[in-house]
Amino acid sequence: AQSVTQLGSHVSVSEGALVLLRCNYSSSVPPYLFWYVQYPNQGLQLLLKYTTGATLVKGINGFEAEFKKSETSFHLTKPSAHMSDAAEYFCVDAGGTSYGKLTFGQGTILTVHP
Amino acid sequence: DGGITQSPKYLFRKEGQNVTLSCEQNLNHDAMYWYRQDPGQGLRLIYYSQIVNDFQKGDIAEGYSVSREKKESFPLTVTSAQKNPTAFYLCASSADIYQPQHFGDGTRLSIL
Repeated sequence: AQSVTQLGSHVSVSEGALVLLRCNYSSSVPPYLFWYVQYPNQGLQLLLKYTTGATLVKGINGFEAEFKKSETSFHLTKPSAHMSDAAEYFCVDAGGTSYGKLTFGQGTILTVHP
Repeated sequence: DGGITQSPKYLFRKEGQNVTLSCEQNLNHDAMYWYRQDPGQGLRLIYYSQIVNDFQKGDIAEGYSVSREKKESFPLTVTSAQKNPTAFYLCASSADIYQPQHFGDGTRLSIL
């Protein structure tokens, strides 16, 4: 069965530090991988997506992610954290179904300290 | 601006009462989805619709119903059969199954 695992339900960094949110997927078919961000009491906003082609994907707000097939990973990074990055982040796999069902990771709450 | 509008933002339900959550999109998307979000559980799919007048059950459809009479609209009814309806409900749409889904801002449902 398809699954997405986000390592660490909570990640805390200092402002200006590197942000690394880990995601591993398990899929028997080529994955379509997304990262979404959710601020409190709001919907999900797409940060970036990987479908095919270049494995290093750049998204909004300075985030990027690298698709590594050999490691079945799609980790999200940002070189320098900002206070406004504090939110919950979801890694999502949309591959493998005929109707676009999304397989969500459990989410990682990012806290940014001054 | 194109997007998805969910209303109301907050909703309260009495025991034994049905309530309907609205979802409207002006993105001209064929596919629409309803999710339920509970703390620490990510999002779970309730119902989805790939085209007007057609919809299918997701993973947790029991106690919910939907309709898709118009391309723009996909309302969700939480029936009295749903024993634990308190949650954050998110509506989404996509142009096709390979494109990312766009989400509304959600409706928070609570039981009085």
